[in-house]
Amino acid sequence: DGGITQSPKYLFRKEGQNVTLSCEQNLNHDAMYWYRQDPGQGLRLIYYSQIVNDFQKGDIAEGYSVSREKKESFPLTVTSAQKNPTAFYLCASSIGLGGYEQYFGPGTRLTVT
Amino acid sequence: GENVEQHPSTLSVQEGDSAVIKCTYSDSASNYFPWYKQELGKRPQLIIDIRSNVGEKKDQRIAVTLNKTAKHFSLHITETQPEDSAVYFCAARDSGYALNFGKGTSLLVTP
Repeated sequence: DGGITQSPKYLFRKEGQNVTLSCEQNLNHDAMYWYRQDPGQGLRLIYYSQIVNDFQKGDIAEGYSVSREKKESFPLTVTSAQKNPTAFYLCASSIGLGGYEQYFGPGTRLTVT
Repeated sequence: GENVEQHPSTLSVQEGDSAVIKCTYSDSASNYFPWYKQELGKRPQLIIDIRSNVGEKKDQRIAVTLNKTAKHFSLHITETQPEDSAVYFCAARDSGYALNFGKGTSLLVTP
């Protein structure tokens, strides 16, 4: 299923806590992405990274942070500043930015109460 | 970012009929338009894509058409089967290289 993994599949947190979602790929892809999926909203881009140690904000970056210290890994931290963090989070990777197929991970469903 | 609008949000067809999903985009510099299929509980997967130097692309029962002048593109599925039931997302790559997705179309193919 593409060599991109996310863990855990389900995550529960209390309001006010930061939480980090894992994304790992062994496809040797340079570009990685984080999307948020809500019912009826499609896929909205949170952050993306073209290369190690570089990342850019997407359309809904507020309340989120990322790092790209290794090519294989692109963890997403959902901070307490994110007003509505409960959602399904999808990580993806591609050979490069631009017109390349994006391979998606299985997703993490985060519930914050 | 780019604004991608997708219609309809839900579509129900009988097995064997054709299904058409339409998308419009706002950034005239967009040059890559993929379509993803997401089955219930699974990850999105690319089913077909088209680049701006091509007007139509076909892969078995699936075809995509692109009208750059009007800034719209469409997915056509012929001879639909129950296993085509899923949510379909269109996307457009904007001048900043990010993919912008439509809100999705839930397709139901009834036997």
